[in-house]
Amino acid sequence: DTEVTQTPKHLVMGMTNKKSLKCEQHMGHRAMYWYKQKAKKPPELMFVYSYEKLSINESVPSRFSPECPNSSLLNLHLHALQPEDSALYLCASSQRQPPDGYTFGSGTRLTVV
Amino acid sequence: SQQGEEDPQALSIQEGENATMNCSYKTSINNLQWYRQNSGRGLVHLILIRSNEREKHSGRLRVTLDTSKKSSSLLITASRAADTASYFCATDQGGSEKLVFGKGTKLTVNP
Repeated sequence: DTEVTQTPKHLVMGMTNKKSLKCEQHMGHRAMYWYKQKAKKPPELMFVYSYEKLSINESVPSRFSPECPNSSLLNLHLHALQPEDSALYLCASSQRQPPDGYTFGSGTRLTVV
Repeated sequence: SQQGEEDPQALSIQEGENATMNCSYKTSINNLQWYRQNSGRGLVHLILIRSNEREKHSGRLRVTLDTSKKSSSLLITASRAADTASYFCATDQGGSEKLVFGKGTKLTVNP
């Protein structure tokens, strides 16, 4: 298995909702990442998990809450989002740190209404 | 913060032509990577070049790195319509845990 699987592919949520994004990989990669990408912009790093521990938080608002339950799974819990949080959320993993290359999932297209 | 700056921002060529994209960066790096992103989808890792390498090839891709100028170029030879995508360079920052992506070049290959 050489994939990173993200679910759901699309999500529409209201500003008072709570939802979660899920990311899974079975490549034995020990580093996992959340990136946010707005239209026509590059991906921007949100969080880095290394060996299931949060190692980097790029000053992301607390309405985004990451979780790494085990080495294969990464979640992003969403609460009280704003319309400007609408974006493509990308999960990635890498075999080693510093990363020699990421394997990306296909992303979750999030719309906040 | 954005580390890499690609140019051009957009490039339109005919099938069979070569496409060259450039990337400049600001801090020291251990490696520089190039990724491709088809419209609205995940990124695909294309090639990595280490700071002690000057040139690397992979199929129709050729990457160069000039650490003295803090710049890299990606050449795609004999382009195909399927190469239509956005291309991003990404750099670590002297071996940090994260990659920072440049603004990207949108390549259109016309059949």
